[in-house]
Amino acid sequence: GQQLNQSPQSMFIQEGEDVSMNCTSSSIFNTWLWYKQDPGEGPVLLIALYKAGELTSNGRLTAQFGITRKDSFLNISASIPSDVGIYFCAGRTGNQFYFGTGTSLTVIP
Amino acid sequence: KAGVTQTPRYLIKTRGQQVTLSCSPISGHRSVSWYQQTPGQGLQFLFEYFSETQRNKGNFPGRFSGRQFSNSRSEMNVSTLELGDSALYLCASSSGTSGRVRDTQYFGPGTRLTVL
Repeated sequence: GQQLNQSPQSMFIQEGEDVSMNCTSSSIFNTWLWYKQDPGEGPVLLIALYKAGELTSNGRLTAQFGITRKDSFLNISASIPSDVGIYFCAGRTGNQFYFGTGTSLTVIP
Repeated sequence: KAGVTQTPRYLIKTRGQQVTLSCSPISGHRSVSWYQQTPGQGLQFLFEYFSETQRNKGNFPGRFSGRQFSNSRSEMNVSTLELGDSALYLCASSSGTSGRVRDTQYFGPGTRLTVL
């Protein structure tokens, strides 16, 4: 199936630092989604993007839908310990969703 | 609106047994997708049901099957369980319509299956 390249695979940062992760694809998507997953739980939707160039914020989180429609990034500003988890990107084309391999974020107090 | 619900949350089975997992989507959603998640493997797509029909399918053996009912609730069945089937099984619901509709997938909490 379709593969989304998500990077970095893991990040270890100090509390208070900003974080940036991104997803790229060889195909065009009409929706980009970002999720956070805590251990043993289902992914929770953070931000949904529906238009090329769209920039959307959710508190300290900001995500953008790339102009080429083949990429998206997620930024987290002023990280805190509860930001720890795995972040997934997802792209939608037609009625199918494709997921990145995840970015594991560790925040060191 | 209530979120996506999955039952049971935890399940322990032995090799060779079969198991049925249940998922109730968000009210009004007609698409239910199932994923298998194991450490280091990310989210592996199993299949998607829309209006009681399997619309998309991943690369899993025939031991993995599913169905959807008229109220959009879905069940997933795994027969002849193997040790490697131990995983978190996630279901996600969406409206299921493509085109200009802003469609988003919402996940349930998952069912943790352990095969001994």
